[in-house]
Amino acid sequence: GAGVSQSPSNKVTEKGKDVELRCDPISGHTALYWYRQSLGQGLEFLIYFQGNSAPDKSGLPSDRFSAERTGGSVSTLTIQRTQQEDSAVYLCASSNDLYEQYFGPGTRLTVT
Amino acid sequence: AQSVAQPEDQVNVAEGNPLTVKCTYSVSGNPYLFWYVQYPNRGLQFLLKYITGDNLVKGSYGFEAEFNKSQTSFHLKKPSALVSDSALYFCAVRDGDNYGQNFVFGPGTRLSVLP
Repeated sequence: GAGVSQSPSNKVTEKGKDVELRCDPISGHTALYWYRQSLGQGLEFLIYFQGNSAPDKSGLPSDRFSAERTGGSVSTLTIQRTQQEDSAVYLCASSNDLYEQYFGPGTRLTVT
Repeated sequence: AQSVAQPEDQVNVAEGNPLTVKCTYSVSGNPYLFWYVQYPNRGLQFLLKYITGDNLVKGSYGFEAEFNKSQTSFHLKKPSALVSDSALYFCAVRDGDNYGQNFVFGPGTRLSVLP
């Protein structure tokens, strides 16, 4: 079946602009996660959606970052007033209950 | 609180030799443990998991990992390394007794297999 998809694959934006990153999880997966990864580094947790529960937003680095998940499926991560330090690969993952996550290919964001 | 440690930033091994990538964890409940691999310019791929049962779990690409409860470890192993195994490896833990708890990832270990 189809895996997790993310769009766009690459995004170049100017400092101060807003960007939206999209994640389509695997159908039926109740949990969805966003992470950020700087070049060759570890994963930085951003936000976690589990079913109809309130999302865990504890990893969002500032109030410029927000995310929503519509209808328990597609998720959008929005970064307002982008800064150069926001440049990274943004990874989305989905999972079914407690078991392994399936990751998308990521969106590479470059803020110039 | 959950945590994962991968004590080695980098592991170098010669092709054909056995490899080990170390992981230790801390979790208050029942540990669910995972290994992921990330090849250059790719997303993370699931390798294997321990949920319950046999302490030795086998996964993709000939990898295996051994769950050791007393040492709170879940080291990744492969009997004979390939150059194509060179990648970034992440260990992760989740509290299996606490539905809704997030995954916690280690910092990653870069494996280089030398020809």
